[in-house]
Amino acid sequence: AQRVTQPEKLLSVFKGAPVELKCNYSYSGSPELFWYVQYSRQRLQLLLRHISRESIKGFTADLNKGETSFHLKKPFAQEEDSAMYYCALIKGGSYIPTFGRGTSLIVHP
Amino acid sequence: ETGVTQSPTHLIKTRGQQVTLRCSSQSGHNTVSWYQQALGQGPQFIFQYYREEENGRGNFPPRFSGLQFPNYSSELNVNALELDDSALYLCASSSGQGANNEQFFGPGTRLTVL
Repeated sequence: AQRVTQPEKLLSVFKGAPVELKCNYSYSGSPELFWYVQYSRQRLQLLLRHISRESIKGFTADLNKGETSFHLKKPFAQEEDSAMYYCALIKGGSYIPTFGRGTSLIVHP
Repeated sequence: ETGVTQSPTHLIKTRGQQVTLRCSSQSGHNTVSWYQQALGQGPQFIFQYYREEENGRGNFPPRFSGLQFPNYSSELNVNALELDDSALYLCASSSGQGANNEQFFGPGTRLTVL
């Protein structure tokens, strides 16, 4: 079965510092990968998906099939980036997502 | 456009009881998925409904069941509640069942089983 691992429960950085939230997956096929975000007192929402190859709010994520990773990166963190981030995988031909346990990002002023 | 709504917000039940949670999908959406999120964990897929039919199921026992109505709203029913069923239950709606259809989440229902 597929698995998504987010090794860091908490990531704490200062404003302006680079941030990288790690996501590793185990799946032998071609997955679709997503990052979801939940800001304080808000709903879980989609941040970005790998097939779109887009940058959202300055965040990017590259699928590395060799390392089976989909790390989320931002060169200069902002205080408003503080939130809970979840990585999710959908295996090929399916629509059922598997979520990681989440990483709490705190950006200090 | 109205977003996904869930009711109730909080619920306390005792072991062995039954519970029904409700979800209204976003306008124009015909697909509803339910998730269980235990404390400190990510959402875990329970099942999905597409045009009133169960369309896929995660690793949950049969005492977790659901319905989708003609207006695409949905219910999650859990029978014979266990302590481990205590969790946040999330509903998400989308305009189709494929992975390319973005899911829009509701605020969740917090269930506590004593």
